[in-house]
This record gives sequence, structure tokens and C-alpha cells, in this order.
Amino acid sequence: EVQLLESGGDLVQPGGSLRLSCAASGFTFSTYAMTWVRQAPGKGLECVSLISGSGGDTYYADSVKGRFTISRDNSKNTLYLQMNSLRADDSAVYYCAKLVPFRAGTPWGPSDYWGQGTLVTVSS
Amino acid sequence: ETVMTQSPATLSVSPGERATLSCRASQSVNNNLAWYQQKPGQAPSLLIYGASTRASDIPARFTGGGSGTDFTLTISSLQSEDSAVYYCQHFNNWPWTFGQGTRVEIK
Repeated sequence: EVQLLESGGDLVQPGGSLRLSCAASGFTFSTYAMTWVRQAPGKGLECVSLISGSGGDTYYADSVKGRFTISRDNSKNTLYLQMNSLRADDSAVYYCAKLVPFRAGTPWGPSDYWGQGTLVTVSS
Repeated sequence: ETVMTQSPATLSVSPGERATLSCRASQSVNNNLAWYQQKPGQAPSLLIYGASTRASDIPARFTGGGSGTDFTLTISSLQSEDSAVYYCQHFNNWPWTFGQGTRVEIK
């Protein structure tokens, strides 16, 4: 059974940092690309970042580029999101999700499994 | 950036009736389109990918269609458990974007 368990969400002051983790189990973690998706309270979904199975390819939304870093430790089956220079509009539930390959010749595709989310609140 | 626009914002349908949700892309996303269902307090779950392929264990009453810029999600006979917000998402090129969602209510 595929399981994704996020942790690390917290209340942090503007300008602060947090590192989110996503522990994966039930599948060969290193084989699959992963993503972080966030959802502000009462709002829609935003795809924040992608990472390939090897970690060699990464993508960032313009809203977080230069402040957030996605990474993975395939030996620990864990995905990370390092968030620096946090702002109030970064407040959201952050979900990690596994991607299923769909686009030919790429690891990219929709998110077939999601974690339960971890809440990040940026406020003074 | 490809903008995904969903309509209507809210759909109120009687049990057993058909619900049709629309998703339009500002430029072609080919068939790199997924639909998700999100119930209150839960993570989204994958319904449809590749515009028309049902994900595992998704009931046959959910049907996806379209290609290019215009897509639909049809729920053929609405059940009470289908009350949720439905999002479309393209994964054609970065950045991947979601529509703003359609809330489906049971009359």
C-alpha cells in the first residue's frame, strides 16, 4: 500500500525558514518523480515544485523560485521541501504527491497518490 | 503559463441526474490533463488522467473527454458521495496549473 506522510509544518514568523519532509512507503521511491502541491485556506491548488526520481531535474513555481528547494534522499525514501524567506502568502496546507509517468519518454504525469498534508502558517 | 478555467463555479444536481463540468485551457495541453476530486478535510484524489482514462478503482459513472483546450468531466448518475470540489490540472509543460475548481452539490 502506497503511503505518504508529511511532517514539519508549523507556525513561523515572516522571513523564517522551515523544512518539510514526506516519508514514502509501499513503492520503489527512487523510480518515481514527486511533487509538492499547496492549498491556502479555502483556496485552490498550486503546484509548487517537481523533482525527478534521481533528483536531477527540478522545477519551481515562480512564486517560490529562489526561496524554496526541493530535494530527495532515495536511501531514506524521503522527499523534502526547504522553505526560506517565508511570507504570509506561503501559508497553506502542503501536500506531497507521487507522480505516475504519462508523457512519453518523461517521468512526468498526474499525481496518483497524495499525503494527508502538513499546515504551514506564516504570521507574526 | 497556461491558464485553466473551470465552469461553472458551483453545480447543484439531484441524485441520479447527470453532472457535466467544463475545463478550458488558454492554450493546447494535448491530452495531458487530469481531474481530481477533493472532499472537505481531505487531500485531492485522482479521478481521470490523459483526459479520458479512469484511475484505479474509479467508478464507471465518471467519464472524462476532450483534447487540446476543451475538456469535460461527466458524472452520469450523481451519488451523494460525489459531493466535492473537482479540479482539472494540466501537466503538459511547466508550470503545471490547476483550474479554480467546481463545487458539486447534491440538491
